[in-house]
Amino acid sequence: AQTVTQSQPEMSVQEAETVTLSCTYDTSESDYYLFWYKQPPSRQMILVIRQEAYKQQNATENRFSVNFQKAAKSFSLKISDSQLGDAAMYFCAYIPSYGKLTFGQGTILTVHP
Amino acid sequence: EPEVTQTPSHQVTQMGQEVILRCVPISNHLYFYWYRQILGQKVEFLVSFYNNEISEKSEIFDDQFSVERPDGSNFTLKIRSTKLEDSAMYFCASRGLDGTNTQYFGPGTRLTVL
Repeated sequence: AQTVTQSQPEMSVQEAETVTLSCTYDTSESDYYLFWYKQPPSRQMILVIRQEAYKQQNATENRFSVNFQKAAKSFSLKISDSQLGDAAMYFCAYIPSYGKLTFGQGTILTVHP
Repeated sequence: EPEVTQTPSHQVTQMGQEVILRCVPISNHLYFYWYRQILGQKVEFLVSFYNNEISEKSEIFDDQFSVERPDGSNFTLKIRSTKLEDSAMYFCASRGLDGTNTQYFGPGTRLTVL
């Protein structure tokens, strides 16, 4: 069974600084997708960034980028120039070619002004 | 930009009552999902639905749960006899055929069972 592990229950960062959230996963599949979702206090699940396993290039979306290490089964999220609005719970998630999303436990990110 | 919608945003019910949670997926999507998040815990998969039938379900999705696509737009989750432990946030998600395997989530329905 696939598992997703986020080892940092909480992280904090100063506004305008950079923070990295960690995620590891376990799978025997070779083709899969990885995601980071943001969950603010409203509890809406918002897609932040997506990475296809067959792509060697790390995905980037504005201030958000990932470090995808396929051999190590690691998928970290880097937030640059952190803003107060980035404060939220962040979930790492895995999905094989077909099937359901498996989520990690989440990391609460606090942004200090 | 199209989005998934869910109603109601908050539902309060008595234990043993039936509830129906409603979702309108993105219009050209073909795959539909329900997930659950108990407060303070991670998001858990309940069921996936494609071509008018369940394609996968989790252990959580027992006989008390059912899903239906009653018309061309709505996707519902029914809990027949609610228990206290069913109190959670329920998320609907949908996915299209754009090749990215991305599921888009609705805003969720907070279910409180008293």
